[in-house]
Amino acid sequence: RKEVEQDPGPFNVPEGATVAFNCTYSNSASQSFFWYRQDCRKEPKLLMSVYSSGNEDGRFTAQLNRASQYISLLIRDSKLSDSATYLCVVPSGTGFQKLVFGTGTRLLVSP
Amino acid sequence: NAGVTQTPKFQVLKTGQSMTLQCAQDMNHEYMSWYRQDPGMGLRLIHYSVGAGITDQGEVPNGYNVSRSTTEDFPLRLLSAAPSQTSVYFCASKREGEQYFGPGTRLTVT
Repeated sequence: RKEVEQDPGPFNVPEGATVAFNCTYSNSASQSFFWYRQDCRKEPKLLMSVYSSGNEDGRFTAQLNRASQYISLLIRDSKLSDSATYLCVVPSGTGFQKLVFGTGTRLLVSP
Repeated sequence: NAGVTQTPKFQVLKTGQSMTLQCAQDMNHEYMSWYRQDPGMGLRLIHYSVGAGITDQGEVPNGYNVSRSTTEDFPLRLLSAAPSQTSVYFCASKREGEQYFGPGTRLTVT
C-alpha cells in the first residue's frame, strides 16, 4: 500500500459548488498532516495543516479520521481561482522529518 | 526575505553531461530537501538534509549527489545526465511542518 493515496480526479465543479477530496495514509503513527495547493507549472504552497481532529480556514475545512486513516479537504462556495491540484502530505521517516506527497487531486471550477 | 531560490530556471543537457542545480534559502531552516516531479508520479524525494554536514537519501537518489556545507545552500549534482532525469526539480526548506518550495528548475536531457 502506498504511504499516501489520492484520487487524481479531475473533479469538475461549477462555481459556488461544494467539493471534497479524501486522502488515505498508511502510517498509523503519523500525527500531523498537510494540504498543499499547486498551480500549473508552479511550486506547491501550504494550504492547511491538520494536527488533531480538523482545521477550518474560511471556505476550506480539513478533517482527520484516525480510525480510518484518511484526511479530507472540503471547499465550500468554489471560486474559479480554486482551480489547482491539491496535494496531501504526510510526515514520515525517523522523527517524521520527511514529507511524503500524494500524487494530487486536480480540481477544475467552471463558470 | 527571498525565501527559497533556485537556479537555473530552465536547463537543457545532453546525455552524459554533468551539472549542478543551485538552491539557497535565507530563513535559517535546518531541513532542506530536493524533489523531482513527473506527470502522474507526484513529488518524489531525492535527497534531504537535517542540517549542515548531514545528508541522507530519499526515495529516488540514484544519479544524484548532494552536499550541505552551510545552512543556506543545498546544491544537487547530476553526475552523468540521462533522459530519465528529464523532470521538474524543486528544492524546499522546512521549519516544523511548513515546507517552503523554490520556483523549480525544468531540466530536459536529450
